[in-house]
Amino acid sequence: DAKTTQPNSMESNEEEPVHLPCNHSTISGTDYIHWYRQLPSQGPEYVIHGLTSNVNNRMASLAIAEDRKSSTLILHRATLRDAAVYYCILRGGWGNFNKFYFGSGTKLNVKP
Amino acid sequence: ETGVTQTPRHLVMGMTNKKSLKCEQHLGHNAMYWYKQSAKKPLELMFVYNFKEQTENNSVPSRFSPECPNSSHLFLHLHTLQPEDSALYLCASSQNEGNTEAFFGQGTRLTVV
Repeated sequence: DAKTTQPNSMESNEEEPVHLPCNHSTISGTDYIHWYRQLPSQGPEYVIHGLTSNVNNRMASLAIAEDRKSSTLILHRATLRDAAVYYCILRGGWGNFNKFYFGSGTKLNVKP
Repeated sequence: ETGVTQTPRHLVMGMTNKKSLKCEQHLGHNAMYWYKQSAKKPLELMFVYNFKEQTENNSVPSRFSPECPNSSHLFLHLHTLQPEDSALYLCASSQNEGNTEAFFGQGTRLTVV
């Protein structure tokens, strides 16, 4: 199974941008890059996903390297409610969608 | 509210008990998942169902028995559990394509005494 590598923890100041990196050097051509986050005592929550091009939505932006071996989740203005564990996941394409494994994630602390 | 509902939210059971966890979604998804999250550990994928058929079983002990009677409901039957099985059990659902997001329930906090 393709694996991802993330820093164990990161810290940010409130209202500043946050860049959360993820390495996935063994990614296959059909794997989608997904990001989820888990707030304390809750189930994971979808943030964003992409295949090759950069993606934006109301929660965050996803920047994908040209060789797809790494990606960065960008929170444009961190708030205290963004403190969570962020998971970068590779999810297989058609016929392989059930390969949906979580790694250790990055625990993001946001300071007021 | 994610559209995926798990019951009960909390469960305490003895090692000789039999209990079941329930997961329900009405999002029209055809894939459902069980995950286990032990304290300070990553989520472990246990089982995957696609159109009611089990497609993934990640070497889960037989004391955990999943059941998927239809695409909207998923159960995890528990019997003769061990204290180390105490964990947060999470259910998720999605379409069966990698280009889609998954929705997670709030989980069942299980304590085995």
